[in-house]
Amino acid sequence: DAGVIQSPRHEVTEMGQEVTLRCKPISGHDYLFWYRQTMMRGLELLIYFNNNVPIDDSGMPEDRFSAKMPNASFSTLKIQPSEPRDSAVYFCASNQGGQPQHFGDGTRLSIL
Amino acid sequence: KQEVTQIPAALSVPEGENLVLNCSFTDSAIYNLQWFRQDPGKGLTSLLLIQSSQREQTSGRLNASLDKSSGRSTLYIAASQPGDSATYLCAVNLFIGNQFYFGTGTSLTVIP
Repeated sequence: DAGVIQSPRHEVTEMGQEVTLRCKPISGHDYLFWYRQTMMRGLELLIYFNNNVPIDDSGMPEDRFSAKMPNASFSTLKIQPSEPRDSAVYFCASNQGGQPQHFGDGTRLSIL
Repeated sequence: KQEVTQIPAALSVPEGENLVLNCSFTDSAIYNLQWFRQDPGKGLTSLLLIQSSQREQTSGRLNASLDKSSGRSTLYIAASQPGDSATYLCAVNLFIGNQFYFGTGTSLTVIP
């Protein structure tokens, strides 16, 4: 099993630019989670999907953030426009309900 | 809202020592609890998952216990090794299909 795959691994961009993070969950998993991790705030849940449908997006910081899951094998997290305070490591994770959650290696995002 | 606490925030032990990491949660009506390790610059790796009906789970030198009534879980690491140095996080799931609530982690250093 290839595990959860995220791309890109690193992203450096200037303030105001659009950023798109991508995630391929483990095949057969029906839940997908997007997290953000910073030293100050730890690991924060942004949004999660069940069977491609967003279930809880209350952790999305503001309207600049959006997430989609067009099919069972792909999800995106978009930030537009980006700001320096969005700099963090963004993780995608997936699982089957009630089973262990598996994480990708993350995208390290730096907004200059 | 579920609050998950991990104490201590950091722990340093000599190689070979047995150690216990603690995880406390405020809502005892959990579905399951998962322990992870995170190496610097990496994603979270699942170690053990305990269902609410279980009291403990074992994998190699790791043993995780769960006491729902007191809102506590412990991760026991036997004969610690320098390779065990990492941050250990616990996460609780209130019911199937719900988000995982993460603790802030315990940073473990095993000194050779």
